[in-house]
Amino acid sequence: EAGVAQSPRYKIIEKRQSVAFWCNPISGHATLYWYQQILGQGPKLLIQFQNNGVVDDSQLPKDRFSAERLKGVDSTLKIQPAKLEDSAVYLCASSPRRTGSTDTQYFGPGTRLTVL
Amino acid sequence: AQSVTQLGSHVSVSEGALVLLRCNYSSSVPPYLFWYVQYPNQGLQLLLKYTSAATLVKGINGFEAEFKKSETSFHLTKPSAHMSDAAEYFCAVSVNTDKLIFGTGTRLQVFP
Repeated sequence: EAGVAQSPRYKIIEKRQSVAFWCNPISGHATLYWYQQILGQGPKLLIQFQNNGVVDDSQLPKDRFSAERLKGVDSTLKIQPAKLEDSAVYLCASSPRRTGSTDTQYFGPGTRLTVL
Repeated sequence: AQSVTQLGSHVSVSEGALVLLRCNYSSSVPPYLFWYVQYPNQGLQLLLKYTSAATLVKGINGFEAEFKKSETSFHLTKPSAHMSDAAEYFCAVSVNTDKLIFGTGTRLQVFP
């Protein structure tokens, strides 16, 4: 079974530029998560989708971050404009069951973003 | 609110020695607890999870963890470290949902 795919793996941009990350979850997984992992810290949930609907985006900085999951499969996370403090690894994860099941989350390899 | 505290950002052991990574949680209701491992330039991989069944949980790669409610702890252990165990380990908690709250991680170094 193929794992969670993410691209690009690395991205370097200058502050105030925009950037987008892509995630393809494991086939059939209903729930998709985006996490931000700043160096030296644990991952922090940014947004959670159940199929193509948003379940939780309370930690998403909505003035600059946006995310969508069209057709309940792939997802994109966008930052516009980027700030220096957005430098981090952005992890995508998926889980097979419905929200609230405490099922195992499967993580992708992440996208390492550097903002100069 | 739920939280986890991982004591020790770095742990070093010799190959063959006992591995002990500490995790304490805070939760007002019975939690679900997880240990994830992250190898360099890779995503997180689930090692084991506690979901209110047996308090001693066995995971992959010879790791296990014991849920101790009285101590609010969920420490990760392995009897004999291997060089391939060198990685970052994260403890996480969730309560009644699938929202994970992670600790800050412990980097394990294994010396020959």
